[in-house]
Amino acid sequence: GQQVMQIPQYQHVQEGEDFTTYCNSSTTLSNIQWYKQRPGGHPVFLIQLVKSGEVKKQKRLTFQFGEAKKNSSLHITATQTTDVGTYFCAGYTGRRALTFGSGTRLQVQP
Amino acid sequence: EPEVTQTPSHQVTQMGQEVILRCVPISNHLYFYWYRQILGQKVEFLVSFYNNEISEKSEIFDDQFSVERPDGSNFTLKIRSTKLEDSAMYFCASSGPGGSGQPQHFGDGTRLSIL
Repeated sequence: GQQVMQIPQYQHVQEGEDFTTYCNSSTTLSNIQWYKQRPGGHPVFLIQLVKSGEVKKQKRLTFQFGEAKKNSSLHITATQTTDVGTYFCAGYTGRRALTFGSGTRLQVQP
Repeated sequence: EPEVTQTPSHQVTQMGQEVILRCVPISNHLYFYWYRQILGQKVEFLVSFYNNEISEKSEIFDDQFSVERPDGSNFTLKIRSTKLEDSAMYFCASSGPGGSGQPQHFGDGTRLSIL
């Protein structure tokens, strides 16, 4: 079955530093979504990427979809303590179900 | 903003018992889902539901599990003969028309503890 891996598993940064998580799928994705889960919370939709090579920005967050539509990245510039949480990529392969990545837990030291 | 609501927030059950987890999806959404998340692990898809029937299920969703939309608002997950390894957070989600590619809106989850 489809596998979606993320690296790193965990990242601890000082407030103000940048952060990047990488997502790799074993199969080509029709689109990819990113979710954030705060500690003790539920996944919250951040963004969806559809086109090969697509780049989208949300304030300090930059999302990228690879040319082959098998990988994606999320980059946060100048992290803040409010960025703390686990970031999951999730992919559809044309089905109506999301396969979540393994997640990257971000800890931000004030 | 409309929300997916789940009850109860925490359910403690003896092994072997049946549990029913309840969800009220966002009212104009057409697709409903159940996911589970074992503590510290990733979110795993269980089942999707559309037009009053299961549209897709994972290999986790075996005969022990069933889903139902008993009325116009509720969406339930029943787990029969619960096992210790069923202990997890169970999330309900819903999405609007368009199916694949729509953002999924998650509820706060039900923490299921099997003793």
